[in-house]
Amino acid sequence: EIVLTQSPGTLSLSPGERATLSCRASQSVSRNYFAWYQQKPGQAPRLLIHDASKRATGIPDRFSGSGSGTDFTLTISRLEPEDLAVYYCQQYESSPYSFGQGTKVEIK
Amino acid sequence: DVQLGQSGAEVKKPGESLKISCKGSGYTFTNYWVAWLRQMPGKGLEWMGIIYPVDSDTRYSPSFQGHVTISVDKSISTAYLEWSSLKASDSAMYYCARLQGYLDYWGQGTLVTVSS
Repeated sequence: EIVLTQSPGTLSLSPGERATLSCRASQSVSRNYFAWYQQKPGQAPRLLIHDASKRATGIPDRFSGSGSGTDFTLTISRLEPEDLAVYYCQQYESSPYSFGQGTKVEIK
Repeated sequence: DVQLGQSGAEVKKPGESLKISCKGSGYTFTNYWVAWLRQMPGKGLEWMGIIYPVDSDTRYSPSFQGHVTISVDKSISTAYLEWSSLKASDSAMYYCARLQGYLDYWGQGTLVTVSS
C-alpha cells in the first residue's frame, strides 16, 4: 500500500496569503494519478484537483496542483476566509487508493 | 445533476446488524464504480472498498475485508454497506462516492453511532 504523508499538519495564514500544502508518497505515483480534496467543517469532502494538476469542475483558479513521482503540492494562491478546511491528498494509482492524514488550514 | 443520496443517521447497540445505503441519480449508475469510505470522529478518510454495479465485482481494503459487506442493487441504483455485528469502534461517519479513480461526487454521509 502506498502511504501518503502530508505536511504541515496545520497551516495558519491571513486572508490574501499564499498557502502551500505538501504530500509525499512512499513510492512513485508514476502516472500522476493524484487528487486533492477539501473538507469544510461538518461537510462531505469535495474534489479540488485530479490527475495531479487538473482542477475539478467549478473550482476557482486560485487552487492549483503540481508535482510528480513522490512529491505533490496543492497551492492556494490567495487565501479567502471560506478556505478554512482540512485538505486531503489521495493516490489512485495502486489499490487500495490511500489518503494522506490531512492538513488543516486556519485563517488568522 | 449527479447526486449520491445516503440513508439517515443510525444509533445501534453492540452486536446488532446494520445496512446503510447510497442511491445514485443524475447519471448512468452502472457506468461507474462506487466507493465507501470511513471517517472516525476527528480523524481522516479511510478507504473501505469499491463495487462495480454491473457485475457486483467488489474490492475491499485489507483493513476492512471480513468486517463489512459491500453490495449493490443496480435495478434501483443503490449501493449498500453492511455489518453483521457492530462494535463500538464502528462509530463513524461513512461516505459513499462515485469513483473515477478519483472521487468526483460524494454522498452527504451517514453517521453511525454504536453504544450500549
